[in-house]
Amino acid sequence: GAVVSQHPSRVICKSGTSVKIECRSLDFQATTMFWYRQFPKQSLMLMATSNEGSKATYEQGVEKDKFLINHASLTLSTLTVTSAHPEDSSFYICSAPSRNTIYFGEGSWLTVV
Amino acid sequence: DAKTTQPPSMDCAEGRAANLPCNHSTISGNEYVYWYRQIHSQGPQYIIHGLKNNETNEMASLIITEDRKSSTLILPHATLRDTAVYYCIVRPSNTGNQFYFGTGTSLTVIP
Repeated sequence: GAVVSQHPSRVICKSGTSVKIECRSLDFQATTMFWYRQFPKQSLMLMATSNEGSKATYEQGVEKDKFLINHASLTLSTLTVTSAHPEDSSFYICSAPSRNTIYFGEGSWLTVV
Repeated sequence: DAKTTQPPSMDCAEGRAANLPCNHSTISGNEYVYWYRQIHSQGPQYIIHGLKNNETNEMASLIITEDRKSSTLILPHATLRDTAVYYCIVRPSNTGNQFYFGTGTSLTVIP
């Protein structure tokens, strides 16, 4: 199947700083990518849809100014958590559609201290 | 708005078939049934999907009832590495549509 890669896989940042997570489609182009967040022992929660060349679409309750999404090219989307706080600590996962299904990245663990 | 119902947990003996049910009674005609699994601390892994016919691949079989209101994922010979959370998702065929995850079924394969 298609490959989606995320970087970094783990990151620790200080409270109040910003951190960027990259999502790349390695062997296909994706005009749309999706960002999810997952807290321990919970299911994946869709945060936003990243659209190449236009603004991201955010799910209800997700702060667009806090979670900045940029879909810079057909193979790269980035999620920037701005002014991170400990409650933003979570597992962030991206995904991209290819040939009638969706493939997920390996996920990125964010710990805010 | 997950639109699917799955049992929260199941056990299966190693080497036996694991049958994971999913109820999607409000499925629309253009919606596919997808199955993914998530092993701890990893991103979800695609398993299989289907519209109305039964499907089989190297990982699993998908049995969809004739009225399409429910389906069963079958892992024919479960191994310890199949221990994971299994998610059943319905989604229109348009690739621009995202997935909404339900709570899934936590499958434990027992030695």
